[in-house]
Amino acid sequence: DAGVIQSPRHEVTEMGQEVTLRCKPISGHDYLFWYRQTMMRGLELLIYFNNNVPIDDSGMPEDRFSAKMPNASFSTLKIQPSEPRDSAVYFCASSSEGTVNQPQHFGDGTRLSIL
Amino acid sequence: GQQLNQSPQSMFIQEGEDVSMNCTSSSIFNTWLWYKQEPGEGPVLLIALYKAGELTSNGRLTAQFGITRKDSFLNISASIPSDVGIYFCAGQDSNSGYALNFGKGTSLLVTP
Repeated sequence: DAGVIQSPRHEVTEMGQEVTLRCKPISGHDYLFWYRQTMMRGLELLIYFNNNVPIDDSGMPEDRFSAKMPNASFSTLKIQPSEPRDSAVYFCASSSEGTVNQPQHFGDGTRLSIL
Repeated sequence: GQQLNQSPQSMFIQEGEDVSMNCTSSSIFNTWLWYKQEPGEGPVLLIALYKAGELTSNGRLTAQFGITRKDSFLNISASIPSDVGIYFCAGQDSNSGYALNFGKGTSLLVTP
């Protein structure tokens, strides 16, 4: 079975540019989560969706960050304009009917470097 | 989200040794999860715990959900070189939605 698929795997861009990260959840999973991982702060939840609807975006750092889920098989996380402090590994995870008894499965992440 | 206290931060051991790591929280959780992350990959679920006092094994791995619901430990017996990685605990409180709160991780190095 295909797991959570993220693209690109690596992104290097200059500050001020728009960055779009993509995620395809596991088929049939109705929860999708975006996390950011840094050395200083570890793994932090940014936002999660249920049935394509954003449920909790309290972890989104600021208005430069936005996330969408236009359908059950695709989500994007966009940063505009990007800043060097946004450099991190961004993970997407999905689960079925919530976390209880259905743990979250993670993609391999997008390593983002903002110069 | 709530930050979990995970210890130790790193461990450097010889193959064959047993390993123990733990996580504590100031808040109660109703689910504890343990993940392993290898370089360039996402976290992979090792063990899930859903009930206070629960003790669950997965091969050489054993994890327990603390009675107070504020802590959990993970043991690895007879470590092997492929156990190398970063181990994360994660707690979930369903009253706060489905977000996972992660520890900072325990980095494990195993020498042959």
